[in-house]
Amino acid sequence: EILLTQSPATLSLSPGESATLSCRASQSVSIYLGWYQQKPGQAPRLLIYDASTRATGIPARFSGSGSGADFTLTISSLEPEDFAVYYCQQRANWPWTFGQGTKVDIK
Amino acid sequence: QIQLVQSGAEVKKPGSSVNVSCKASGGTFTTYGISWVRQAPGQGLEWMGDIIPIFGTTRYAQRFEGRVTITADKSTSTVYMEVGSLISEDTAAYYCARRSNWFDPWGQGTLVTVSS
Repeated sequence: EILLTQSPATLSLSPGESATLSCRASQSVSIYLGWYQQKPGQAPRLLIYDASTRATGIPARFSGSGSGADFTLTISSLEPEDFAVYYCQQRANWPWTFGQGTKVDIK
Repeated sequence: QIQLVQSGAEVKKPGSSVNVSCKASGGTFTTYGISWVRQAPGQGLEWMGDIIPIFGTTRYAQRFEGRVTITADKSTSTVYMEVGSLISEDTAAYYCARRSNWFDPWGQGTLVTVSS
């Protein structure tokens, strides 16, 4: 089973600042890495797939990069609605696995 | 645009079973899978298992094998997940999600509380 480690666990930032979230895989997942956003009381929502492709309707301030075992999600200028928990997920090998999440909260 | 609508919250006793449903509206299953993902309170996401409804083929995470059963009713575009031998640690939100190459979209979640 591929282990995904996200860092940091919590990121405290102000609106307008840039956020950089990391996801590291225990082995290469090629580009088969996705990112999800989850707000309190809501289901997760797909943001980024195949490491860098934005899902339908996702604003351009969200961008993903990386390949192999190291990936980054960048939010270029935080909007109030972006404060949430973000999970990475790999689909390179079964079982598909998730990282433990990074919470982006308001400083 | 397919939407997944799940059944309502449940409260169950330890040792019992729970059945959660996930109905697809606005589309058909086609060849996509439907996965179940659970989230314990304050915790992360854990994939439990998956079914391809038009074929009925299933796969399960090893830790849930034998305790979780996923089935599908093609005539009503509904997928069911039964979790047996419930323990308090099964208290969680359970989500269904369409699985193509990624989990998208998701159902709204079903809270299952296991308590004596």
